[in-house]
Amino acid sequence: DVKVTQSSRYLVKRTGEKVFLECVQDMDHENMFWYRQDPGLGLRLIYFSYDVKMKEKGDIPEGYSVSREKKERFSLILESASTNQTSMYLCASSLDGIVSNYGYTFGSGTRLTVV
Amino acid sequence: AQTVTQSQPEMSVQEAETVTLSCTYDTSESDYYLFWYKQPPSRQMILVIRQEAYKQQNATENRFSVNFQKAAKSFSLKISDSQLGDAAMYFCAYRSRSGGGADGLTFGKGTHLIIQP
Repeated sequence: DVKVTQSSRYLVKRTGEKVFLECVQDMDHENMFWYRQDPGLGLRLIYFSYDVKMKEKGDIPEGYSVSREKKERFSLILESASTNQTSMYLCASSLDGIVSNYGYTFGSGTRLTVV
Repeated sequence: AQTVTQSQPEMSVQEAETVTLSCTYDTSESDYYLFWYKQPPSRQMILVIRQEAYKQQNATENRFSVNFQKAAKSFSLKISDSQLGDAAMYFCAYRSRSGGGADGLTFGKGTHLIIQP
């Protein structure tokens, strides 16, 4: 069964800490995404990557960065965590190509609390 | 930029009844994909159904079907014979076809579906 795996289900960090959220997919997908999910706001795209070492800003990139050194791994980095970054973070991946009409495969999410 | 609107924050339905979740979207593109995702308490986002904009026929997956009205930019989800396991957050999502898959999905804010036994 294909999978997107997020390393932590729950995470508690202190304000000012550097935080790494890891995501690994085993489907050889070209595209990977990080979303943030908040009640009443739905899912909002933070960053995405369409190839190794490539990254593009999504709708809310401020306060975040990403790293994609290998095709299967996409990391979200909070350089200096703040309380307003307390949220659920979802990773997703997808196939490339215009002919692909598939949706995305999601991980199970990391619920991050910044105290 | 595309926007997706789900006007029903919460819906409730009796088990075995039929319920329709609403979704409208705004886009200037003519070719795109639309999706409904389900997110149960386990948090795993599950693809329920998808629709290609160039297809006039409404997509159907077992008890789930859509009413796609392209001119009205409407994409509602109908769940027939509701089951307790259908209780979840449901998200409507849009994806441009031109991006080749690299573009992210644009999501609505979600509808919380409650199934009354």
